Amino acid sequence: DGGITQSPKYLFRKEGQNVTLSCEQNLNHDAMYWYRQDPGQGLRLIYYSQIVNDFQKGDIAEGYSVSREKKESFPLTVTSAQKNPTAFYLCASKNRDRGPNSPLHFGNGTRLTVT
Amino acid sequence: GQQVMQIPQYQHVQEGEDFTTYCNSSTTLSNIQWYKQRPGGHPVFLIQLVKSGEVKKQKRLTFQFGEAKKNSSLHITATQTTDVGTYFCAGQSGTYKYIFGTGTRLKVLA
Repeated sequence: DGGITQSPKYLFRKEGQNVTLSCEQNLNHDAMYWYRQDPGQGLRLIYYSQIVNDFQKGDIAEGYSVSREKKESFPLTVTSAQKNPTAFYLCASKNRDRGPNSPLHFGNGTRLTVT
Repeated sequence: GQQVMQIPQYQHVQEGEDFTTYCNSSTTLSNIQWYKQRPGGHPVFLIQLVKSGEVKKQKRLTFQFGEAKKNSSLHITATQTTDVGTYFCAGQSGTYKYIFGTGTRLKVLA
């Protein structure tokens, strides 16, 4: 079955450590996204990538970094510079060939807790 | 920057009552999408509206896009316990950038 896989489901880290969240898709989608979800604040866009080797900052990119070396993969690194990293992180992808009106497909998310 | 607000933030209804959530954008949208996120789950696409004044229905759900393409609404008739979750609107900003609303969390009391 095609889909988006985020791993792990739960992740715990000590403050000051960088951590990388995995996102893999086998939907052959060109565009991929990272959103952060906090209670009462909806989904906020961190980074997005329209094509391999290219990505753009979203609204809250500070303290995060991404890479897009392969079409299937869009890992997100939460660096020690991110002041409030504890959150639910959602990865999504989109079929660019279907034009701008196609929907986002989400993974199951990774819940990151930093203490 | 562009903002998309939703009201109310929370809504508790008795099963069988109607429910409406409203979405307002600070800028004109080329289209708007609606998603549902069940508790503990991830957002799942419901529908997309593109035309000014467009109305679409999915069984008990009715979606509207405002004439000015800056607001939208989702109305659920006769809610059921399966409707529980958080409903998000998402406005398109640029070709591939989507800005999500703050969401409305719906709780249905049996």
